[in-house]
Amino acid sequence: DTEVTQTPKHLVMGMTNKKSLKCEQHMGHRAMYWYKQKAKKPPELMFVYSYEKLSINESVPSRFSPECPNSSLLNLHLHALQPEDSALYLCASSQGPSPSETQYFGPGTRLLVL
Amino acid sequence: AQSVTQPDIHITVSEGASLELRCNYSYGATPYLFWYVQSPGQGLQLLLKYFSGDTLVQGIKGFEAEFKRSQSSFNLRKPSVHWSDAAEYFCAVGVTGGFKTIFGAGTRLFVKA
Repeated sequence: DTEVTQTPKHLVMGMTNKKSLKCEQHMGHRAMYWYKQKAKKPPELMFVYSYEKLSINESVPSRFSPECPNSSLLNLHLHALQPEDSALYLCASSQGPSPSETQYFGPGTRLLVL
Repeated sequence: AQSVTQPDIHITVSEGASLELRCNYSYGATPYLFWYVQSPGQGLQLLLKYFSGDTLVQGIKGFEAEFKRSQSSFNLRKPSVHWSDAAEYFCAVGVTGGFKTIFGAGTRLFVKA
């Protein structure tokens, strides 16, 4: 199984809502990533978890809160988002946190903030 | 600082014609280089990667790329393009000493019949 799954596929939320994005992989990978991708732009790294510990936070606003409950699961909790946070949110995983490792991407969650 | 440049924002190729997508990188050491493809509304899929050894790398879907250290380039090629190859292509470099992968801005490929 070389699949990374993400739920939901689409999400519409108001600026006062709290929602969560979920990402799951069963490849035994020990590094997991959250990216944000705006239209016609490359993915921008948000967070990296290595062996279930937060390794990188790319100065992401606190309204985004990541969580890694176990080695297969990665969540992104959303609260008080702004319309400019509307984007495709991609999850990825890799065997380990090495830059030589291939990252396997999920299909993404398309988020619209109203 | 490390960076990746894809000079072409978009390219249009006729079906059956050959394709070359350009990628230049800036990095102090031998880089880890990747090409990913993204279909509309989808995640990214790895086409191929280069770490060391043979500078001509074969990937999936008939793609290949050649690493040229002297030109700091890692161009992607395909001898005959299919309509299903229409997508966004990202060149990327893995940064040693960190967990980061730096992506180029992407090249959108259009295929005309």
